[in-house]
Amino acid sequence: AQTVTQSQPEMSVQEAETVTLSCTYDTSENNYYLFWYKQPPSRQMILVIRQEAYKQQNATENRFSVNFQKAAKSFSLKISDSQLGDTAMYFCAFMKSSGANNLFFGTGTRLTVIP
Amino acid sequence: DAGVIQSPRHEVTEMGQEVTLRCKPISGHDYLFWYRQTMMRGLELLIYFNNNVPIDDSGMPEDRFSAKMPNASFSTLKIQPSEPRDSAVYFCASTTIPYEQYFGPGTRLTVT
Repeated sequence: AQTVTQSQPEMSVQEAETVTLSCTYDTSENNYYLFWYKQPPSRQMILVIRQEAYKQQNATENRFSVNFQKAAKSFSLKISDSQLGDTAMYFCAFMKSSGANNLFFGTGTRLTVIP
Repeated sequence: DAGVIQSPRHEVTEMGQEVTLRCKPISGHDYLFWYRQTMMRGLELLIYFNNNVPIDDSGMPEDRFSAKMPNASFSTLKIQPSEPRDSAVYFCASTTIPYEQYFGPGTRLTVT
């Protein structure tokens, strides 16, 4: 079974500063995908970034980047130059690359950007 | 593109009543997923379809829950009879590539 753990229920960051959200996972799979989803107060689930496990290079999307450590089964999200619109719940998620196509989610981290 | 459409956005019902949640996937998407989000259990998959066929329904809580996809543009999730513990946000997601799921806005269900 796959499990995803987010150990930080809540975090806060000053506007324009950098913050890192942590995620660890457990799996016996060798090939898989990892994701960070954002859920603002509107409740919409928005894909922030995706990482393929077979790629050594860390994924980057503008101000968002990940630190993927496959051996340690760690997948952290770094948000640079934090903006007020980044205030949201952030969910780490896992998906096997073959077979079942469902996402396994962590419990989420509530991020507040302080003006 | 209108994205994934879910209706209603909010539903309040009394225990014992039948509830039907609806989802219209993005046109051309052949995968459709139903997820449930609660404070206690977080986000969890209930069921997913590929080409209108249910592939994995292991997450469906019990016989009170049923899901159908009669055609490529419509799916329903039905709860009969509803119970207070069914109160949650129910999300529908669709995609052509499983690792790129697009979520709808969710339906907040409250069972009193």
